[in-house]
Amino acid sequence: GDSVTQMEGPVTLSEEAFLTINCTYTATGYPSLFWYVQYPGEGLQLLLKATKADDKGSNKGFEATYRKETTSFHLEKGSVQVSDSAVYFCALNSAGNTGKLIFGQGTTLQVKP
Amino acid sequence: EAQVTQNPRYLITVTGKKLTVTCSQNMNHEYMSWYRQDPGLGLRQIYYSMNVEVTDKGDVPEGYKVSRKEKRNFPLILESPSPNQTSLYFCASSLTGNSNQPQHFGDGTRLSIL
Repeated sequence: GDSVTQMEGPVTLSEEAFLTINCTYTATGYPSLFWYVQYPGEGLQLLLKATKADDKGSNKGFEATYRKETTSFHLEKGSVQVSDSAVYFCALNSAGNTGKLIFGQGTTLQVKP
Repeated sequence: EAQVTQNPRYLITVTGKKLTVTCSQNMNHEYMSWYRQDPGLGLRQIYYSMNVEVTDKGDVPEGYKVSRKEKRNFPLILESPSPNQTSLYFCASSLTGNSNQPQHFGDGTRLSIL
């Protein structure tokens, strides 16, 4: 079945460092891909999405490119801030899959001043 | 403000005592869904609803019931809660069930079943 694998956390970075969180997926067909962010005590918020191969999603300085050949959707940011500390979830939604989001296990990011 | 509202946010209860977690959205979304979040497992879908009066099981439906009598509301019912249902629960909604639609999440309900 469809699945999403994220890099293990936690990830600890200093402010202004470069961030990469790896995400790979297994799916039949052509899923849409998403990154969600969860701040402490809050629900998940959509960070960015890509719906077809080679699409780049971007928001708030974060970027991810839908790579069909490597089945990946890695999240990147050039310069992280303390306020980016949160849990990040990669997810996919397969066409014809009844709207279900399939999530990775989440990656905790801690940014230190 | 567009939002998904869950209640309660926190609940501690005992095994076997029926409980309901309410979920309401004000975006006129057709699609609604419940997920549970457990450490190391990410989020897993419990039930979903494509529209009013249309519901179906997700990946982990055992021990749960849902209903969709109105478009805006999608309550989650635990008829006889057990400790393995201790978890963080999220309600979500989207315009439709199409795969390219982002889902909007509530702030979560933390249930502890003793």
